[in-house]
Amino acid sequence: DIQMTQSPASLSASLGETVTIECRASEDIYSNLAWYQQKPGNSPQLLIYDANSLADGVPSRFSGSGSGTQYSLKINSLQSEDVASYFCQQYNNYPDTFGAGTKLELK
Amino acid sequence: EVQLVESGGGLVQPGRSMKLSCAASGFTFSNYGMAWVRQAPTKGLEWVATISYDGSSTYYRDSVKGRFTISRDNAKSTLYLQMNSLRSEDTATYYCTRARTGAYWYFDFWGPGTMVTVSS
Repeated sequence: DIQMTQSPASLSASLGETVTIECRASEDIYSNLAWYQQKPGNSPQLLIYDANSLADGVPSRFSGSGSGTQYSLKINSLQSEDVASYFCQQYNNYPDTFGAGTKLELK
Repeated sequence: EVQLVESGGGLVQPGRSMKLSCAASGFTFSNYGMAWVRQAPTKGLEWVATISYDGSSTYYRDSVKGRFTISRDNAKSTLYLQMNSLRSEDTATYYCTRARTGAYWYFDFWGPGTMVTVSS
């Protein structure tokens, strides 16, 4: 199985700050990567697919980038509603695999 | 508005069976692949199974192959997961998701989830 290594595991940032979360795949996943946001007590929501395509209804302060084995999720101008856990997922190889998650808190 | 609502979870003894259902609305169910993804308590996400739009193809993670069966009824816009020979490691919240195709699948809508606890 492809291993997805997310960093950092947790992150504390201030309102208005720019935050970056990284995800590294154990082999090339050819941009078949999605990012999800999971707010406390809720189900995950799709943010980004195909590494850099914004899902419908997702604010433009979220963006994704990367290629090969290295990918990142950037949140510009952090808002209070962005407090959540974030997961990456590769869908290039069977089985789909997820990163362990990054918990984002407000400083 | 896309809605996915799971039901059928609860407490079950090891070795027993349970069937989950997911009622879909707000989109043409028969046009989309569907999947189950689970999340053990305070853990990460794990893909379980996917079914094609017409039910002709199914895919499972290795740890549930031969024990779980994914199926669908397009006339009822309902997805199912039959779980047999349940183990403690199957304890998780099970999410019904709409699957979009890349090389494999990502998941663009998720239900609120139903909790399955396998314990004696």
